[in-house]
Amino acid sequence: ETGVTQTPRHLVMGMTNKKSLKCEQHLGHNAMYWYKQSAKKPLELMFVYNFKEQTENNSVPSRFSPECPNSSHLFLHLHTLQPEDSALYLCASSQGQGDTEAFFGQGTRLTVV
Amino acid sequence: QKEVEQDPGPLSVPEGAIVSLNCTYSNSAFQYFMWYRQYSRKGPELLMYTYSSGNKEDGRFTAQVDKSSKYISLFIRDSQPSDSATYLCAMMGNAGGTSYGKLTFGQGTILTVHP
Repeated sequence: ETGVTQTPRHLVMGMTNKKSLKCEQHLGHNAMYWYKQSAKKPLELMFVYNFKEQTENNSVPSRFSPECPNSSHLFLHLHTLQPEDSALYLCASSQGQGDTEAFFGQGTRLTVV
Repeated sequence: QKEVEQDPGPLSVPEGAIVSLNCTYSNSAFQYFMWYRQYSRKGPELLMYTYSSGNKEDGRFTAQVDKSSKYISLFIRDSQPSDSATYLCAMMGNAGGTSYGKLTFGQGTILTVHP
């Protein structure tokens, strides 16, 4: 596999559920990102990891918990979400945190019911 | 005020038309200016990037940056149905600044090129 792979592609969860989104990159990059894409809104940066260390948390509610066990894998743990959290969650990677080119996965379409 | 403003459209043009897509921004620290293209049910992919002011051409695509006006543009010549996608502008500052290392995106413009 090449590029950035996200699983699952679609997820429906209740507000009391706990689920996790997974992202894997096969590009040898050192920086990984979580973005949220909602309808009629710009892509919102959520978290940045550089060499496995979190370098940015864009005031994201604690019901979203990221985890980066190594430079190739990134998780987003979800618990007690709200319906307004329904969105497309995109993972991206870049060679380094300052790179202009980010490579995106296809995203996980999350619906909270 | 949003840091980056982009008209969401939608924009519909006939095949062969010249398309102009634009963004304005308020953060004077932005130095890197990117255009990403996002097809339906896909993640965005980098189309072009420009550092500071000026023009850059790549095939049918031309990116322009006017820092004095805080205005960037993407022109698509001889547009094709395969260009139908959402076009997102993105920006980033230089190293050492608060806007370094994270892309700030516009809302995206939905473009349809019909045969």
